[in-house]
Amino acid sequence: NAGVMQNPRHLVRRRGQEARLRCSPMKGHSHVYWYRQLPEEGLKFMVYLQKENIIDESGMPKERFSAEFPKEGPSILRIQQVVRGDSAAYFCASSQPLLAGDGDTQYFGPGTRLTVL
Amino acid sequence: QKEVEQDPGPLSVPEGAIVSLNCTYSNSAFQYFMWYRQYSRKGPELLMYTYSSGNKEDGRFTAQVDKSSKYISLFIRDSQPSDSATYLCAMNDRGSTLGRLYFGRGTQLTVWP
Repeated sequence: NAGVMQNPRHLVRRRGQEARLRCSPMKGHSHVYWYRQLPEEGLKFMVYLQKENIIDESGMPKERFSAEFPKEGPSILRIQQVVRGDSAAYFCASSQPLLAGDGDTQYFGPGTRLTVL
Repeated sequence: QKEVEQDPGPLSVPEGAIVSLNCTYSNSAFQYFMWYRQYSRKGPELLMYTYSSGNKEDGRFTAQVDKSSKYISLFIRDSQPSDSATYLCAMNDRGSTLGRLYFGRGTQLTVWP
């Protein structure tokens, strides 16, 4: 059973460009979470999505950031007009619904390391 | 005050030592507690998952939760060089905050042979 997949693993963008980060959850998982990890800091929650629904986006910056999890295909975290402060590792996690199997235990992907020049 | 506090270390121990890692938290609604291990430039890997207060053991790892003190611990017995990594505590309440996890900043551990 393949784990959570993220691509690209490394992404370099110039200031003002757009960054698109993709996440494919584990098989059977319908919940996706995005976290950001800045140097010397722990993971910070950004957004929680289910298929075609944003459940909790309270950790997302109000501007330039958006996320989606369409009915078909991976979840996408989109950062418009990137700035140097967006440089970080972005991790996706997935889980089953709360009442299934191991509950909502979150399993993480390998991350996408975004560098903004 | 941060919701989850964790000493970042670094912590350096010889092979075979018992390692104690700790986190404190401020939100009394937290009920679910996790420890993740993160190797350099990799994603976090779930090690232990506990609910409410008490102990849980899995091989060389023991997780303890003391809700009255808002304090959680991870003990590693007979530590190995392969245990060298950053250890992250995480927690949530599955209530108003739904699925989001609150993380400590991680403790960097090195086990030397």
